[in-house]
Amino acid sequence: AQTVTQSQPEMSVQEAETVTLSCTYDTSENNYYLFWYKQPPSRQMILVIRQEAYKQQNATENRFSVNFQKAAKSFSLKISDSQLGDTAMYFCAWAWGNDMRFGAGTRLTVKP
Amino acid sequence: NAGVTQTPKFRILKIGQSMTLQCAQDMNHNYMYWYRQDPGMGLKLIYYSVGAGITDKGEVPNGYNVSRSTTEDFPLRLELAAPSQTSVYFCASRSTGGAFGTQYFGPGTRLLVL
Repeated sequence: AQTVTQSQPEMSVQEAETVTLSCTYDTSENNYYLFWYKQPPSRQMILVIRQEAYKQQNATENRFSVNFQKAAKSFSLKISDSQLGDTAMYFCAWAWGNDMRFGAGTRLTVKP
Repeated sequence: NAGVTQTPKFRILKIGQSMTLQCAQDMNHNYMYWYRQDPGMGLKLIYYSVGAGITDKGEVPNGYNVSRSTTEDFPLRLELAAPSQTSVYFCASRSTGGAFGTQYFGPGTRLLVL
């Protein structure tokens, strides 16, 4: 069965510093997709970044980048120059076909 | 564009009652999804649809039913509410395509079953 594991329930970082959130997954599929979603207190799910498994190059979106290690089934999110508005729950997700699995989330707090 | 809308925002149900959670999207997306998010957890897929008239089960379908009579609407039905169905329900949609395109999420419906 496909599973997504986020081993850090909570993390904190000082404003302007860099933080890395970890995610590992288990799958027997080859061409899948990986995502990081942000969920602020409003509960809205906001896509942060996505990665296609067939692409070796790591995805980047402004201050957000990933370290995708396909063989290790690892997909970490790096947030650079952390801002107070980055405070939220962050969910790692795996998708193949119409199946999408989410991790339990990491609560990130950015401290001033 | 309103995107993905969900009604109601919050509802309290008594055990054994029934209700329908409404979801609509105005982006002409073929794919639509229902998820539930239990406290402190990630989302789990309940049902999905790839187009009008076509639905299929996800990871946790028991206790729910869906229908898709139009492209725009994808209601979720709870027939006999149970405390285990207390959760936040999210509807999402995405466009058709070979790549797994971005899913657009609604704001969620918080359901409390007492």
